Amino acid sequence: EPEVTQTPSHQVTQMGQEVILRCVPISNHLYFYWYRQILGQKVEFLVSFYNNEISEKSEIFDDQFSVERPDGSNFTLKIRSTKLEDSAMYFCASSEPPDGNQPQHFGDGTRLSIL
Amino acid sequence: KQEVTQIPAALSVPEGENLVLNCSFTDSAIYNLQWFRQDPGKGLTSLLLIQSSQREQTSGRLNASLDKSSGRSTLYIAASQPGDSATYLCAVFHLYSSASKIIFGSGTRLSIRP
Repeated sequence: EPEVTQTPSHQVTQMGQEVILRCVPISNHLYFYWYRQILGQKVEFLVSFYNNEISEKSEIFDDQFSVERPDGSNFTLKIRSTKLEDSAMYFCASSEPPDGNQPQHFGDGTRLSIL
Repeated sequence: KQEVTQIPAALSVPEGENLVLNCSFTDSAIYNLQWFRQDPGKGLTSLLLIQSSQREQTSGRLNASLDKSSGRSTLYIAASQPGDSATYLCAVFHLYSSASKIIFGSGTRLSIRP
């Protein structure tokens, strides 16, 4: 069964540094998402992306964050100047058109640790 | 603003028992509701998706129900096995927000004792 793949599985970064988290969505999906889960807390929506632009973003997704689909297969989340509170699991998801009947398929996540 | 609540936060039962996990949501205007499984340190595996027009969905030993009017869903697991131990997340796909995000509950951590 097709999978969403994320790399790296664990990223350790110094506070203030830039980090890029990478995702390869399922090949025929056109809708992409990033979520995060701070340890012990709920999974939270960050951003959705379709047709090379952001379709919705949460209040968490401030100017430090950006997303990009640099080529036909990758979908990236960049955090420009990381803060301690950015430490979390970051999940990428993809789906077919969200008509209410299409589940979002999630990757295994990238654990981001900010020191 | 949609809020999704799951009770209990943790549950431990002996192997073989049937069990029910509960989910409630505050705004009934949803597109669908999904139940996910999350193993420690892993991603989210979609178990069942119930469309807003449906009352229940079944997959193997799992049965999920949806009562939109009361804002409730249940996940029934029959004949539980140790391999069912995981965190189970309920999530709603909200109708009046942009149809592109899921709102998650905080999960029920299930432990099946051999």
